[in-house]
Amino acid sequence: DAKTTQPNSMESNEEEPVHLPCNHSTISGTDYIHWYRQLPSQGPEYVIHGLTSNVNNRMASLAIAEDRKSSTLILHRATLRDAAVYYCILIRDNQGGKLIFGQGTELSVKP
Amino acid sequence: DTGVSQDPRHKITKRGQNVTFRCDPISEHNRLYWYRQTLGQGPEFLTYFQNEAQLEKSRLLSDRFSAERPKGSFSTLEIQRTEQGDSAMYLCASSFTAGSGNTIYFGEGSWLTVV
Repeated sequence: DAKTTQPNSMESNEEEPVHLPCNHSTISGTDYIHWYRQLPSQGPEYVIHGLTSNVNNRMASLAIAEDRKSSTLILHRATLRDAAVYYCILIRDNQGGKLIFGQGTELSVKP
Repeated sequence: DTGVSQDPRHKITKRGQNVTFRCDPISEHNRLYWYRQTLGQGPEFLTYFQNEAQLEKSRLLSDRFSAERPKGSFSTLEIQRTEQGDSAMYLCASSFTAGSGNTIYFGEGSWLTVV
């Protein structure tokens, strides 16, 4: 399984942008980059995913490096409700679509 | 769209007892996944189904664990002769089609405490 590396924790101030980095130097050409987050005592929640181009949705933006060896999840204005563990995950077609979770980044948001 | 539903949400059982969890995926989702999560760790993959076929089982799924999806709709995860190490949150998830670009939707989880 392709491995991702994320910082264990990050802090942000409320209403400021947050950039969550992820390194995936062994990514292959067909790997999709997925981001999920997990709020305390809840199941993981889909945030965004991409393959090569940057992606935007109502929750966040995903910036993918040109060589695809790293990506950054961008929360444009952090709120207290964004405090969660954020997981960066690579998915390959031959994995049956399953997610293999690492440790993720625990984001805390200060008011 | 009612989301992925799991039942029960919480279960306390004595060591040695059997427990069963049920998962109702989002309707028309043909893939269903089971995960286990202990405190402070990310979810660990256990097994997945495509329709009624169980296509992959993790080495974490010991002989005491069995999962079924008899008609390709809901699924059950049974743990026999529970041990204290089985205490965890059991997560179910579903997706519409295979393919690495597809979104996977998770339920709220079933918490198991073995005493």
